[in-house]
Amino acid sequence: DVKVTQSSRYLVKRTGEKVFLECVQDMDHENMFWYRQDPGLGLRLIYFSYDVKMKEKGDIPEGYSVSREKKERFSLILESASTNQTSMYLCASSSPGSTDTQYFGPGTRLTVL
Amino acid sequence: KNEVEQSPQNLTAQEGEFITINCSYSVGISALHWLQQHPGGGIVSLFMLSSGKKKHGRLIATINIQEKHSSLHITASHPRDSAVYICAVRGDSNYQLIWGAGTKLIIKP
Repeated sequence: DVKVTQSSRYLVKRTGEKVFLECVQDMDHENMFWYRQDPGLGLRLIYFSYDVKMKEKGDIPEGYSVSREKKERFSLILESASTNQTSMYLCASSSPGSTDTQYFGPGTRLTVL
Repeated sequence: KNEVEQSPQNLTAQEGEFITINCSYSVGISALHWLQQHPGGGIVSLFMLSSGKKKHGRLIATINIQEKHSSLHITASHPRDSAVYICAVRGDSNYQLIWGAGTKLIIKP
């Protein structure tokens, strides 16, 4: 079974703090994604990566950065957390191909006070 | 207007009822996905469709490419089917997914 893990299920941070969210997948997938999910808005893509050290902006990259130093790990960084970044953050991975099924981690619910 | 629209937004039904959730899209697609998200956050892929119909247990997904519409059906619904069901499409010209806002389903015993 594909396994995608995220470093924390729940996280509480203060405004201005630097926040790291880590995602690890064990299926040697090339593609990895970071989404945020807010009520009524569905999933919105923040950043994605096709390969190690490759990254592309998604729909809402402002206020975020990412790092992919190893194939299995994709990190989302909030340089200076703000209250409007309080959200559920979901990581996913997939392998290029006809199915492009994305496998999701359990999510991290981040609260910024 | 969103490129992927789901209806209804919320649905409450009694155990045993036949459930239909709809997804309409306005772009050319190469594939459509149905996913399930249980309370607590985890998302699971249910189906990937590019034409016709797929069935898995009590779940059936259909797609009509000409009408740009897909439906997810649940037969003999059960409280454990309570979840958010999300439709997502992969566009013709890129491989990012375009996401619907989800349908929150509650099945009462």
